[in-house]
Amino acid sequence: DQQVKQNSPSLSVQEGRISILNCDYTNSMFDYFLWYKKYPAEGPTFLISISSIKDKNEDGRFTVFLNKSAKHLSLHIVPSQPGDSAVYFCAASDSSYKLIFGSGTRLLVRP
Amino acid sequence: DTEVTQTPKHLVMGMTNKKSLKCEQHMGHRAMYWYKQKAKKPPELMFVYSYEKLSINESVPSRFSPECPNSSLLNLHLHALQPEDSALYLCASSHSDRGGNEQFFGPGTRLTVL
Repeated sequence: DQQVKQNSPSLSVQEGRISILNCDYTNSMFDYFLWYKKYPAEGPTFLISISSIKDKNEDGRFTVFLNKSAKHLSLHIVPSQPGDSAVYFCAASDSSYKLIFGSGTRLLVRP
Repeated sequence: DTEVTQTPKHLVMGMTNKKSLKCEQHMGHRAMYWYKQKAKKPPELMFVYSYEKLSINESVPSRFSPECPNSSLLNLHLHALQPEDSALYLCASSHSDRGGNEQFFGPGTRLTVL
């Protein structure tokens, strides 16, 4: 049973527009959420995180929103740039060492 | 220095070979991790070291043997691997092994077992 789900395997967005990547989770014990970006043949790069006591965290062009009641989080990238094209993984943890990753969403930003 | 480095970048080995993967970080992190990632799948946790001691083994076969010589180094010794062990092996580190800590990943070692 997947505890962290990214239901969209891919997303295509025009350069300059907003990219919205979604993630759902089932475990109510999760209290920390992270987004990673991964280029082919490279390790995941940490992007942004959010604690369950917040509903929004912003870092430059990246904003993560958390809706605890819906067990849903999203990553907004605005404006999107071609260099943002990568696979984005959502991950969650429950105050322990373990990160549970979603299956990833491949983002393509078209010039 | 905010990097996790891994060597080698690529490794091809036969099923009877013994090889080692190496990982290094100089961020003062006290937790280090080994992950395995197959194509189009998320990373899967293998081992966790906390303060140089093995704290978690996620039921990994004994043909994978981790070692933490000091707080900056993490090795993964490989012996008698199978072709299905071919994958990207990722090392990561974090401030501690408690929640709320971002894990920083290395670039990975692409392993092919023939």
